[in-house]
Amino acid sequence: DGGITQSPKYLFRKEGQNVTLSCEQNLNHDAMYWYRQDPGQGLRLIYYSQIVNDFQKGDIAEGYSVSREKKESFPLTVTSAQKNPTAFYLCASSPDRHEQFFGPGTRLTVL
Amino acid sequence: GNSVTQMEGPVTLSEEAFLTINCTYTATGYPSLFWYVQYPGEGLQLLLKATKADDKGSNKGFEATYRKETTSFHLEKGSVQVSDSAVYFCALSEWTGGFKTIFGAGTRLFVKA
Repeated sequence: DGGITQSPKYLFRKEGQNVTLSCEQNLNHDAMYWYRQDPGQGLRLIYYSQIVNDFQKGDIAEGYSVSREKKESFPLTVTSAQKNPTAFYLCASSPDRHEQFFGPGTRLTVL
Repeated sequence: GNSVTQMEGPVTLSEEAFLTINCTYTATGYPSLFWYVQYPGEGLQLLLKATKADDKGSNKGFEATYRKETTSFHLEKGSVQVSDSAVYFCALSEWTGGFKTIFGAGTRLFVKA
């Protein structure tokens, strides 16, 4: 089955730690995206990548980093510089301008 | 810049009631418009889309028409079910050196049996 997988589903981080969220897709999509969702709010774009080895900052990139070494993979690192990282993180991919396909999300909690 | 505004929730309806969730947008050019649905603890799923003016998107009894003259894309369903309880997001796609999607804040729908 084609789709997007995110792991882990739940992640707990101590203050000062970096953590990496995984996102993998087997849909052969060029574009991939990371969003942050806070309770009762919409999605905010963190980073996006239109092609392998290239990515751009979104609206709230500070404290986050990404890489795009393979078409299938777009991991997100939440660094210690991100002051309020507790949120629900969603990864998406897109074949074109028309729609995005979302993974199931990772819920990150800072202890 | 481009933006999407949708009605605040929560919206609470009884089963079989008529649903409307309003969505308006501001955009330069001719964006594609979307409705996504999110069930608790899950990612978003595309519900329907429209790619040009006067197009009507439809799926699972939901409909929305791309109205360029009023810059609107209101979501409607004639008879809601308890299983429709979810958060609904209106969105548009734009080109800014790459295609990005702008999402509205979401509208939570509760349907009572």
